[in-house]
Amino acid sequence: SQTIHQWPATLVQPVGSPLSLECTVEGTSNPNLYWYRQAAGRGLQLLFYSVGIGQISSEVPQNLSASRPQDRQFILSSKKLLLSDSGFYLCAWKQGAGQPQHFGDGTRLSIL
Amino acid sequence: AQSVTQPDIHITVSEGVSLELRCNYSYGATPYLFWYVQSPGQGLQLLLKYFSGDTLVQGIKGFEAEFKRSQSSFNLRKPSVHWSDAAEYFCAVGATSGTYKYIFGTGTRLKVLA
Repeated sequence: SQTIHQWPATLVQPVGSPLSLECTVEGTSNPNLYWYRQAAGRGLQLLFYSVGIGQISSEVPQNLSASRPQDRQFILSSKKLLLSDSGFYLCAWKQGAGQPQHFGDGTRLSIL
Repeated sequence: AQSVTQPDIHITVSEGVSLELRCNYSYGATPYLFWYVQSPGQGLQLLLKYFSGDTLVQGIKGFEAEFKRSQSSFNLRKPSVHWSDAAEYFCAVGATSGTYKYIFGTGTRLKVLA
């Protein structure tokens, strides 16, 4: 069966520090991969998605970037974190058209 | 472009009563439709999905949803709510062509009174 791993679960970072969140999927190949951010009490904001290795689509201009160095690995990065980058970050994958997205357990990011 | 609306931000019900959470979508054809549930601090878990065919779909945890094309709705229902159903519920819509993105509603937070 397929599984998705997202880490770390929680992260506290100072303003201006770099960021790297990692997401990996097991048990499938060539998945569509997604990064979302969820602000407190709000819905999901799509940040990036990828349909293949090295292919990244950005939805919202911001302080973040994403990379897909391997088929089942999706990384969210920042060179310098802002206070506004705080939130709950979710990685998701799906396989094929019309299939549901499956979510990781999320990373709670707090910026001090 | 597709869009989705969940009109109710918060809903409070007593344990044992029936529940209906509303979801309305906008799309030029029949989209892919999903309901997810999220417990605090957790990821989203898929409850059910609709692609085509029977307009009443059954999901996990005793939930069901009905697709109504004429009303552009996909409401989630449960005959008898349990205290453990307290969570946030998200409706999502996906286009059947042209995009890999799904659009999520802003969510409905369900509180269950014992």
